[in-house]
Amino acid sequence: DADVTQTPRNRITKTGKRIMLECSQTKGHDRMYWYRQDPGLGLQLIYYSFDVKDINKGEISDGYSVSRQAQAKFSLSLESAIPNQTALYFCATSDLPFASKTGVGQPQHFGDGTRLSIL
Amino acid sequence: QQQVKQSPQSLIVQKGGISIINCAYENTAFDYFPWYQQFPGKGPALLIAIRPDVSEKKEGRFTISFNKSAKQFSLHIMDSQPGDSATYFCAANFGNEKLTFGTGTRLTIIP
Repeated sequence: DADVTQTPRNRITKTGKRIMLECSQTKGHDRMYWYRQDPGLGLQLIYYSFDVKDINKGEISDGYSVSRQAQAKFSLSLESAIPNQTALYFCATSDLPFASKTGVGQPQHFGDGTRLSIL
Repeated sequence: QQQVKQSPQSLIVQKGGISIINCAYENTAFDYFPWYQQFPGKGPALLIAIRPDVSEKKEGRFTISFNKSAKQFSLHIMDSQPGDSATYFCAANFGNEKLTFGTGTRLTIIP
């Protein structure tokens, strides 16, 4: 079984619909991330979380929201999907050590992604 | 603006050859430089990383070379194999700030 599992793997939906992408992990890591990948671009950070009570915006959080239901679960929602949110979405976890508990840190283990198409 | 510029966009190398992917950065505060490997249909995986206190780090056939004065770092894959065919991303950050990713290099190893 995969350490970081994303569901669904593929989703096609219409503009204006609410969509939830789910992520669960079995690695026991506290830090979880949501990234977006567009063709020809690197990964852009949407949100990140250190625990269920600590959620932080990344560089492109507008139009997205997240929920950390448990240490192992981190969901990404698009409240009203728009076509330019069509992309590949990745969840990631990390327990790489760093100097303090604040700050973003570096993602270590990624899920296999959700390919989202908004028509 | 914090940027990491990656080149080339795509690369074709013969089996057994050396694959070289280059990245250049602007922010001199960057102190962590990882490389990620991504196979089709999969998420990226952390491959190897370096900090600026060393000029080179080697793990198996993968080597990061780091040139602090030129603000450049590169990934070398020795004895490249078809199984190395993937997209490679460089990245950089400092302290606990978010990673800034390069735009990726699609590497194809041909027999």
